[in-house]
Amino acid sequence: SQQGEEDPQALSIQEGENATMNCSYKTSINNLQWYRQNSGRGLVHLILIRSNEREKHSGRLRVTLDTSKKSSSLLITASRAADTASYFCATDAEGSQGNLIFGKGTKLSVKP
Amino acid sequence: DAGVIQSPRHEVTEMGQEVTLRCKPISGHDYLFWYRQTMMRGLELLIYFNNNVPIDDSGMPEDRFSAKMPNASFSTLKIQPSEPRDSAVYFCASRFWAANTEAFFGQGTRLTVV
Repeated sequence: SQQGEEDPQALSIQEGENATMNCSYKTSINNLQWYRQNSGRGLVHLILIRSNEREKHSGRLRVTLDTSKKSSSLLITASRAADTASYFCATDAEGSQGNLIFGKGTKLSVKP
Repeated sequence: DAGVIQSPRHEVTEMGQEVTLRCKPISGHDYLFWYRQTMMRGLELLIYFNNNVPIDDSGMPEDRFSAKMPNASFSTLKIQPSEPRDSAVYFCASRFWAANTEAFFGQGTRLTVV
């Protein structure tokens, strides 16, 4: 069953704008991860946030986690056309035995 | 390490034929996952292994699908007989499971059953 649910399903913005994607999940987690998938390629890990962290930064990426609401957000600042891709959240649930549960993803389109 | 290696990258086969997809995980990783991705269903977990032992195969759609991991460096996903609705991109991923580690994906096999 799907653990993470991303919102929105699709997002179209202009280059230079910020892009925000949200993820909701259902169970207690050890960590939450964000992945990126370029068209026709495999998923690539972007950033991991632990359950005891509230915010994490990596370059132009900012991730927040609210465990009380079971939600996370991924912010990409100053977007570029090369950021065009699908973005997935994945949860490492407590007791999951190593299995990551992926959401359905947000398809981001950045127009030059 | 070259990452997770999948073969073939593309496969076109006729309905009823047997299809075998292959995966070489990253050396030292103790978890291996097989996923299927379609526009309609998104990314679905089919089966995963821990130390070559299948842990959860509840995502395998039918008995036509089978997966093996004979050793730590090789896994196969077999579909016999294949059907047009099996057309999808199949991904293999591996992971060394310790606290707070990520999964590494292969480039996928695009399967088309005609």
